[in-house]
Amino acid sequence: KAGVTQTPRYLIKTRGQQVTLSCSPISGHRSVSWYQQTPGQGLQFLFEYFSETQRNKGNFPGRFSGRQFSNSRSEMNVSTLELGDSALYLCASSLEGGRGDTEAFFGQGTRLTVV
Amino acid sequence: GQSLEQPSEVTAVEGAIVQINCTYQTSGFYGLSWYQQHDGGAPTFLSYNGLDGLEETGRFSSFLSRSDSYGYLLLQELQMKDSASYFCAVNTGGFKTIFGAGTRLFVKA
Repeated sequence: KAGVTQTPRYLIKTRGQQVTLSCSPISGHRSVSWYQQTPGQGLQFLFEYFSETQRNKGNFPGRFSGRQFSNSRSEMNVSTLELGDSALYLCASSLEGGRGDTEAFFGQGTRLTVV
Repeated sequence: GQSLEQPSEVTAVEGAIVQINCTYQTSGFYGLSWYQQHDGGAPTFLSYNGLDGLEETGRFSSFLSRSDSYGYLLLQELQMKDSASYFCAVNTGGFKTIFGAGTRLFVKA
């Protein structure tokens, strides 16, 4: 069974540009969550999608957005990039994303560098 | 606000036992999980506690006390390959899992 796939693995962008990251969850998993990881800050929750609907979001500015497609693949977009957006962006998939899910599976992440 | 507190660093010698504590303050709680992340790698699931008590999985055990909003991860018979970052995470029940800042474990020979 294939794991969670994130593309691209590495990305360098200039301030002010926008970027789109992609996540393909494990087959059969319908919940996709996105996290931003920076040194010393752990994983900061961005948003969670299930059946093409955003069910929760974290405390990030509106420049961060996402969506989910009917095949459960998800994308996140960051517009008007700032230097502080440089981070590892991780995607995690689980079956339903609810209280019954005890385990999430992470992708390798996309390392975004804003210069 | 919601927060999870865990030590930033722990150092132990090979073959020893180490405990990583996690205290949490969240608006909802449906379970405490632990993840391991090696440098450059993805976080991988280690264990889950939904109810009070101890869960054992091989060399790793995890404990939860919901009344104390506290849990820990216990690693026994430490090996060099256990050097990694360890994160506690709380399923808040609102389709949101929040993570601690992580504990960096250094295992020395």
